Amino acid sequence: KQEVTQIPAALSVPEGENLVLNCSFTDSAIYNLQWFRQDPGKGLTSLLLIQSSQREQTSGRLNASLDKSSGRSTLYIAASQPGDSATYLCAVDSSYKLIFGSGTRLLVRP
Amino acid sequence: DAGVIQSPRHEVTEMGQEVTLRCKPISGHDYLFWYRQTMMRGLELLIYFNNNVPIDDSGMPEDRFSAKMPNASFSTLKIQPSEPRDSAVYFCASSLGTGPVTDTQYFGPGTRLTVL
Repeated sequence: KQEVTQIPAALSVPEGENLVLNCSFTDSAIYNLQWFRQDPGKGLTSLLLIQSSQREQTSGRLNASLDKSSGRSTLYIAASQPGDSATYLCAVDSSYKLIFGSGTRLLVRP
Repeated sequence: DAGVIQSPRHEVTEMGQEVTLRCKPISGHDYLFWYRQTMMRGLELLIYFNNNVPIDDSGMPEDRFSAKMPNASFSTLKIQPSEPRDSAVYFCASSLGTGPVTDTQYFGPGTRLTVL
């Protein structure tokens, strides 16, 4: 059974810092991995989707890497801003369904 | 495009009442998903449809839950009778048609359900 773990559960950093969020999964036979952002009281917004054949994806200040063999992914946020404050969730597919981690709650302090 | 639309945004009801949640997916998307999010269990898939047909309902917690998609632009999730443990945020999401996990899923704003 696929399980997804995200560490840390919460993170508080000063504005301008570069930071890394971690995601691990137990079954490496995945089709892709996705990172989402969730703002309080709102739905999820897709940030990056990495196919299993890819090693990384970039969008602006965000870079996500995937090491399928070790069951790990990282989301790197460069030059963090207060507007980046949100909960970040990763999700992997298992039996044609997305399995979500519990998220990392990020606070970027001005 | 207006994105995925859900209604109502908030619902407060009493135990035993019927609750109906509504979703309008993004036009042209072939897949529609219903999720539930709680503090204890996180985000869980309840059911998904492809071209209006239910494909996997293994996440539906029990027979009190039912979902329908009568056409490509509308879906409902019904709980009858509702119980306090059904209190959660229910999300609807939709995606294009290459597969249930191959495309980006677009989420609606959710319906926060409180069952007293």
